[in-house]
Amino acid sequence: GQNIDQPTEMTATEGAIVQINCTYQTSGFNGLFWYQQHAGEAPTFLSYNVLDGLEEKGRFSSFLSRSKGYSYLLLKELQMKDSASYLCAVMDSNYQLIWGAGTKLIIKP
Amino acid sequence: GAVVSQHPSWVICKSGTSVKIECRSLDFQATTMFWYRQFPKQSLMLMATSNEGSKATYEQGVEKDKFLINHASLTLSTLTVTSAHPEDSSFYICSASPGGESQPQHFGDGTRLSIL
Repeated sequence: GQNIDQPTEMTATEGAIVQINCTYQTSGFNGLFWYQQHAGEAPTFLSYNVLDGLEEKGRFSSFLSRSKGYSYLLLKELQMKDSASYLCAVMDSNYQLIWGAGTKLIIKP
Repeated sequence: GAVVSQHPSWVICKSGTSVKIECRSLDFQATTMFWYRQFPKQSLMLMATSNEGSKATYEQGVEKDKFLINHASLTLSTLTVTSAHPEDSSFYICSASPGGESQPQHFGDGTRLSIL
């Protein structure tokens, strides 16, 4: 079967750095997406990785290792507004998105 | 770019009412749109894939006669919840992807449906 694993919840301090991990087992791979979802709102697109390595976009970076079936989202200089759920999603060989359950990130002052 | 508009944002109605939700891609054409449902504190659940000019593809366990999907044009898909009941109360979200198959999905703002 297809599976996406990410931690249920993480807590970090304002101004710090946090890394949210995602591991996957899917039938084929056509890219991995990270989305941010604030409570009561729809997800918003953060990043897309299809090749191994690190993609940096401001305070957010995303890393992919296809051989290990592993990705992480790195958030730097955390702000209170970063409190949200972060969703990992993998596009399989049929170009269908397989969604993780999301990681709820709690930022404390 | 890649803006998806969803309407209405909130619906509160009586049991037995049918509710239509619209999803529009404002600045791109979308051959395929997606409909999701999300219950509180749970992950997104794909309900169906809406294909322009053809029938929608429903996920296992989703009643196609209950959730009617019409993809009338390359910029509009509608989801109609027929004869809604309290258990249909949920957050419904549509998404669409511009360009190629590996493009990210962009989401509408979602519709919060409450059936009394």
